[in-house]
Amino acid sequence: DVKVTQSSRYLVKRTGEKVFLECVQDMDHENMFWYRQDPGLGLRLIYFSYDVKMKEKGDIPEGYSVSREKKERFSLILESASTNQTSMYLCASSSPGQGSSYEQYFGPGTRLTVT
Amino acid sequence: GESVGLHLPTLSVQEGDNSIINCAYSNSASDYFIWYKQESGKGPQFIIDIRSNMDKRQGQRVTVLLNKTVKHLSLQIAATQPGDSAVYFCAENSGGSNYKLTFGKGTLLTVNP
Repeated sequence: DVKVTQSSRYLVKRTGEKVFLECVQDMDHENMFWYRQDPGLGLRLIYFSYDVKMKEKGDIPEGYSVSREKKERFSLILESASTNQTSMYLCASSSPGQGSSYEQYFGPGTRLTVT
Repeated sequence: GESVGLHLPTLSVQEGDNSIINCAYSNSASDYFIWYKQESGKGPQFIIDIRSNMDKRQGQRVTVLLNKTVKHLSLQIAATQPGDSAVYFCAENSGGSNYKLTFGKGTLLTVNP
């Protein structure tokens, strides 16, 4: 089974802090994604990566950056956390080579609170 | 931009009844659709998917129907159980890239015993 893990289930940070959210997948997937999930807004794509050191902005990249130095690990960085970044953050991975499926496998999520 | 949406944000059913969750999409170029289930405190989990060259696909207790004429997708759950209580999301691949999905806002399904 594919396993996507996220470094923390819950985080509380102060405004202005630099925050790192880590995601690791164990299935050698090329694609990795970071979403945030807010009530009434569903899942919104922040950034994605289709290869090591490659990244593309999603729909809401402002205030975030990412890093993918190794294939299995995709990090989301909040350079200076703000209260409007309080949210559930979900990481996912997928492999375009798996037949015709675009299925993404999700981690359990990190609930970040910025005070 | 084009997006995936849901007709009903909440659905409440009795245990044993069939459930139908609906989804409208607006991108006629979308060629792949997927349903996810998200239980409280967990990440979304795959339920079933369907490609645009199909109208119907069945899984275990679930059926997905695709009506391309009206750009409508539905998820049917047979004999709904309390363990089916969750938020259900539809998502589409818009055909422009081979790996991005656009998600709907979700429907909360509550199963009453």
